[in-house]
Amino acid sequence: AQTVTQSQPEMSVQEAETVTLSCTYDTSESDYYLFWYKQPPSRQMILVIRQEAYKQQNATENRFSVNFQKAAKSFSLKISDSQLGDAAMYFCAYNSGYALNFGKGTSLLVTP
Amino acid sequence: GAGVSQSPSNKVTEKGKDVELRCDPISGHTALYWYRQSLGQGLEFLIYFQGNSAPDKSGLPSDRFSAERTGGSVSTLTIQRTQQEDSAVYLCASSLTRGVSYEQYFGPGTRLTVT
Repeated sequence: AQTVTQSQPEMSVQEAETVTLSCTYDTSESDYYLFWYKQPPSRQMILVIRQEAYKQQNATENRFSVNFQKAAKSFSLKISDSQLGDAAMYFCAYNSGYALNFGKGTSLLVTP
Repeated sequence: GAGVSQSPSNKVTEKGKDVELRCDPISGHTALYWYRQSLGQGLEFLIYFQGNSAPDKSGLPSDRFSAERTGGSVSTLTIQRTQQEDSAVYLCASSLTRGVSYEQYFGPGTRLTVT
């Protein structure tokens, strides 16, 4: 079974600063996708960024980027120029078939 | 276009009663997923549909849980004889089709409280 671990239950960042959220995973598969989802208080899960395991280049979406280390099975999310609207729960997820396997989440607080 | 919708938004029920949770996927999406988000277990996969078929029901926690999908569209998750441990947010997602590369779009969830 695949497991996803987020070791930081809570993180805090000042507006305009950079923060990195950690995620590690365990799998024996060679072909899979990794995702970061954002869940604001509205409960709606929103896809932030995704990474295909066979691609060595790290994915980037505007202020969001990942550091994907396949050998180390690590997939961290970097948020640059943090904004108040970035405050939310962030979930790392893995998919090698159809079902998403989620970590426990990291609560991100953004302070003015 | 419209996103995934779920109803009701919140549901409070008494222990032992049956409840039905509804999910309307994005039009044209053939794959539909149910997840449960609870304080103790985090986010866990329950079941997925490809069309009207459910190839994998392994995530359903007990035989009190069942789900169906009709017309390749709307899905209903039914919980019979609800227990307090069923209290959670039930999230539905849909994707264009089954496959790791297809983004799953989530609905706002139904918060179920069993008293």
